[in-house]
Amino acid sequence: QSALTQPASVSGSPGQSITISCTGTSSDVGGYNYVSWYQQHPGKAPKLMIYEVSNRPSGVSNRFSGSKSGNTASLTISGLQAEDEADYYCSSYTSSSAYVFGTGTKVTVL
Amino acid sequence: EVQLLESGGGLVQPGGSLRLSCAASGFTFSSYAMSWVRQAPGKGLEWVSAISGSGGSTYYADSVKGRFTISRDNSKNTLYLQMNSLRAEDTAVYYCAKSWGVYCSSTSCYPPFDPWGQGTLVTVSS
Repeated sequence: QSALTQPASVSGSPGQSITISCTGTSSDVGGYNYVSWYQQHPGKAPKLMIYEVSNRPSGVSNRFSGSKSGNTASLTISGLQAEDEADYYCSSYTSSSAYVFGTGTKVTVL
Repeated sequence: EVQLLESGGGLVQPGGSLRLSCAASGFTFSSYAMSWVRQAPGKGLEWVSAISGSGGSTYYADSVKGRFTISRDNSKNTLYLQMNSLRAEDTAVYYCAKSWGVYCSSTSCYPPFDPWGQGTLVTVSS
């Protein structure tokens, strides 16, 4: 199972919006609405930010939103803040009854 | 509050074995699928293995199939990962993570990784 493809880095100024893409295949991202997004700060465990493509867990800011089109899912962070600087990973359930993560994207707040 | 505490990491020689544990508290352990996810130094996340709440169903990434065994003791609220025939490429921080429910299927899927433990480092080197 190959990792889902994410851009290595995305940057934006405070207050701006950025979007991170996550591209897979019809056997994972395109085949199920079971895409999740995780935020990881240096030295910390990942934190769930979005599940089932576009749902936010309780306590996650509404500045984070998710969507999907075909084999590509996206995470958008609006009103970018310094605390959003972190690594972000997508994940999907697969037709092999397994899970696959994305390659990861480093978000930099300029 | 849900808490997950991994232990058992350390330095092991190539070809050696190690057993990781994840002590869980704050929820009815047997009702939830659990997973192991690893992260090599400076690299991304990689799903390793998962197990159903009863322990009757197990799932593995191709990279560890036949070498790693996931299990759980619901009487002790503990998840395990037995790692055999370890290789240098198995060097990573290993996290355990709780699902919101049962293991995913094609028709329904609870978020599989929330929350996560703090991780335990496994180093495979001679």
